Amino acid sequence: DAGVIQSPRHEVTEMGQEVTLRCKPISGHDYLFWYRQTMMRGLELLIYFNNNVPIDDSGMPEDRFSAKMPNASFSTLKIQPSEPRDSAVYFCASSLSTGVSSGYEQYFGPGTRLTVT
Amino acid sequence: DAKTTQPNSMESNEEEPVHLPCNHSTISGTDYIHWYRQLPSQGPEYVIHGLTSNVNNRMASLAIAEDRKSSTLILHRATLRDAAVYYCILRDRRQGGSEKLVFGKGTKLTVNP
Repeated sequence: DAGVIQSPRHEVTEMGQEVTLRCKPISGHDYLFWYRQTMMRGLELLIYFNNNVPIDDSGMPEDRFSAKMPNASFSTLKIQPSEPRDSAVYFCASSLSTGVSSGYEQYFGPGTRLTVT
Repeated sequence: DAKTTQPNSMESNEEEPVHLPCNHSTISGTDYIHWYRQLPSQGPEYVIHGLTSNVNNRMASLAIAEDRKSSTLILHRATLRDAAVYYCILRDRRQGGSEKLVFGKGTKLTVNP
């Protein structure tokens, strides 16, 4: 398996522009997670989906952020309009639920480094 | 969420064992103990998890105290590739929200050649 795929790997944009980050989870996984990592705040969970349905978006910082999962093999995280404080590495992860005793191990993608100038 | 406490940093020498401690004094009976690590410029990767008994896999061993208030991740022979930030995370195994992981600051492990 190719693992979790994210694109682009690097994105540089100007303040006010729309940014779309993309994620392809591991085939067969039913959970998908979006995280953001900065030096100041560490690794934060933004939102996660189960079977393409958003379960918990309490980590989404504000209305400028939105995430969708139109099908089991694709998700997007959109920032509109972007601001310099959104600069961070954004990770996508997926996992497979196989029962309460499972590890729910999450498999992370390589991340997208976003710089907003 | 139950909290974990880890040292900010640790150092080891190559090919020596490394014991990474984690305190979780408020752990509940339904919490799994998970360890992830993050290599430089990469996403986190799963290392190991356990509930009550010690666990071994190809990457590491997890030793869990009898009262479950602390645990230790053991790397039997550290290599340079093991230099990473190691996160100890508690995950509620009850259904409904048990899928979430809350990452703290972790322990930055430096491995000296």
